[in-house]
Amino acid sequence: GQQVMQIPQYQHVQEGEDFTTYCNSSTTLSNIQWYKQRPGGHPVFLIQLVKSGEVKKQKRLTFQFGEAKKNSSLHITATQTTDVGTYFCAGPWGSNYKLTFGKGTLLTVNP
Amino acid sequence: NAGVTQTPKFQVLKTGQSMTLQCAQDMNHNSMYWYRQDPGMGLRLIYYSASEGTTDKGEVPNGYNVSRLNKREFSLRLESAAPSQTSVYFCASNVRVSDTGELFFGEGSRLTVL
Repeated sequence: GQQVMQIPQYQHVQEGEDFTTYCNSSTTLSNIQWYKQRPGGHPVFLIQLVKSGEVKKQKRLTFQFGEAKKNSSLHITATQTTDVGTYFCAGPWGSNYKLTFGKGTLLTVNP
Repeated sequence: NAGVTQTPKFQVLKTGQSMTLQCAQDMNHNSMYWYRQDPGMGLRLIYYSASEGTTDKGEVPNGYNVSRLNKREFSLRLESAAPSQTSVYFCASNVRVSDTGELFFGEGSRLTVL
């Protein structure tokens, strides 16, 4: 079954508002990755988090990995229309080769 | 540098027909994967190949077969297509065998089974 749970499933914001998506695993993860998929496109890697409590920033995006390495979040400050898409978290499940994806959060931005 | 290339991009099949989705990567990656994406279901792993000569089942392998033809190519075959296999299929690859590094995805193959 699904090992990585992601919430919310959908989020609609006004341009300029902040956005956060959360990812929770039933087991401790060695690492977690985040991907973005534009409508009609393919998933594109954003970042990988490895250390407990790790926080990484990419311009307006802030990624956090929980202390217990079982949860993670992606926060976007002051959303723009270019942020539209589905954001997925993914973590290794079972053997390291099986990267399991959350169901994703679809972000829409009203200009 | 093409990255991960999938063919065909679109395909319509009738129930019971067979077809093969082709995937090739030019990044000298060891590991390759096939995912399917359905609305509201995220990406689900069908099969993967940790290295040339090896393949293994993912979450949803039933109704599919795979072949790791060489280091570059990993194909997915539907022997007898069913409407439940209507989906978008993504091939992906990554560098390492021993850990889950960044996945590089192809542009996807949209399959409709009537």
